[in-house]
Amino acid sequence: GENVEQHPSTLSVQEGDSAVIKCTYSDSASNYFPWYKQELGKRPQLIIDIRSNVGEKKDQRIAVTLNKTAKHFSLHITETQPEDSAVYFCAASIGGYSSYKLIFGSGTRLLVRP
Amino acid sequence: DTEVTQTPKHLVMGMTNKKSLKCEQHMGHRAMYWYKQKAKKPPELMFVYSYEKLSINESVPSRFSPECPNSSLLNLHLHALQPEDSALYLCASSPIQRGSTYNEQFFGPGTRLTVL
Repeated sequence: GENVEQHPSTLSVQEGDSAVIKCTYSDSASNYFPWYKQELGKRPQLIIDIRSNVGEKKDQRIAVTLNKTAKHFSLHITETQPEDSAVYFCAASIGGYSSYKLIFGSGTRLLVRP
Repeated sequence: DTEVTQTPKHLVMGMTNKKSLKCEQHMGHRAMYWYKQKAKKPPELMFVYSYEKLSINESVPSRFSPECPNSSLLNLHLHALQPEDSALYLCASSPIQRGSTYNEQFFGPGTRLTVL
């Protein structure tokens, strides 16, 4: 069935270090892969997304890579800061543009130690 | 207005009560979603509305009844819930652009529901 696996479940890094979170999806028809950040008690917020016609996308300290052949995608955060501490969810789309659903990974709790 | 809003923020209800959750957006988005999120878990899709019509129902029990009265509003009617239905209920919306690509889902702040 439709599934997204996410690793690691928790990640603790020193401020200034890099953090990498990896996801694997099952449905080869998935074409859209967003990453959401959710702080405690807050709504999920999109931090970056990538579509299947692109292999890599970068936005300042955040980058995402996609390997469609292997059905892997990863989030890279460089120069981490304490405010990056949150739960990060990857997701993969199922369905067409006008009516698609997102299958979320189980989440990674990132802690950035000052 | 560039946000999805949800009311109420918190709701406590008994198993025999009937209540409704409300979601609103004025960004012109024509796709709207209900998700359920349990503590320390990812959001789980419940329903998708596209152009005010129900397009996806993830086999949700009938005690949850969605309604999309217009393109800006999405309701979730609750009746005879169980304690295990206690969770954060998130609404989201996204634009639909014909012939285009997938677009971001914008989430509301959620309604924290407790069923006693």
